[in-house]
Amino acid sequence: DTGVSQNPRHKITKRGQNVTFRCDPISEHNRLYWYRQTLGQGPEFLTYFQNEAQLEKSRLLSDRFSAERPKGSFSTLEIQRTEQGDSAMYLCASSSGWGGFEQYFGPGTRLTVT
Amino acid sequence: QQQVKQSPQSLIVQKGGISIINCAYENTAFDYFPWYQQFPGKGPALLIAIRPDVSEKKEGRFTISFNKSAKQFSLHIMDSQPGDSATYFCAASTNSGNTPLVFGKGTRLSVIA
Repeated sequence: DTGVSQNPRHKITKRGQNVTFRCDPISEHNRLYWYRQTLGQGPEFLTYFQNEAQLEKSRLLSDRFSAERPKGSFSTLEIQRTEQGDSAMYLCASSSGWGGFEQYFGPGTRLTVT
Repeated sequence: QQQVKQSPQSLIVQKGGISIINCAYENTAFDYFPWYQQFPGKGPALLIAIRPDVSEKKEGRFTISFNKSAKQFSLHIMDSQPGDSATYFCAASTNSGNTPLVFGKGTRLSVIA
């Protein structure tokens, strides 16, 4: 069990560019969550999946954000036309979903939009 | 509207002392209350969690106390150590924890020797 992994760990991009992050959950965990954390704040929910189905999207998730989880394994989060306000730590968490509700977080991807 | 209110924002405790962090919630549908520890540059790590059918849960030096009627819960860290210096987040969710977590704003704990 290698834990949740996220790539890249850091991303610096210019305003207006598109970025994509990847999350690999713990093996056989069927729930996968995306959160965003800004400096000095707690993580805020963005979206989550049960296998490949996207169950809920937060109103924080503007039309520029899209997430998918093909085949119910890894997930990607894409931000189009990045803005400076998108600068944050993007965290992924997974849980087994069947009686095991604990959410385990990855190390996060730190996005800086210049 | 902040659904989970956490206090204090920061806390300084002497080594060997007790650290106490408090959280309050409004949504009575919440039925799962975890605490996470986060070091700089790392993701949050699950410390301990409680459900409302018990009033206290202890794991090692960490204890959660839960008051359902007051809609409050707290984390106690006994015999606090410098290695405990981190940011602590309380959180809550519904459906026995099978839904997205709502986090407090965090408490930055410093344990000094």
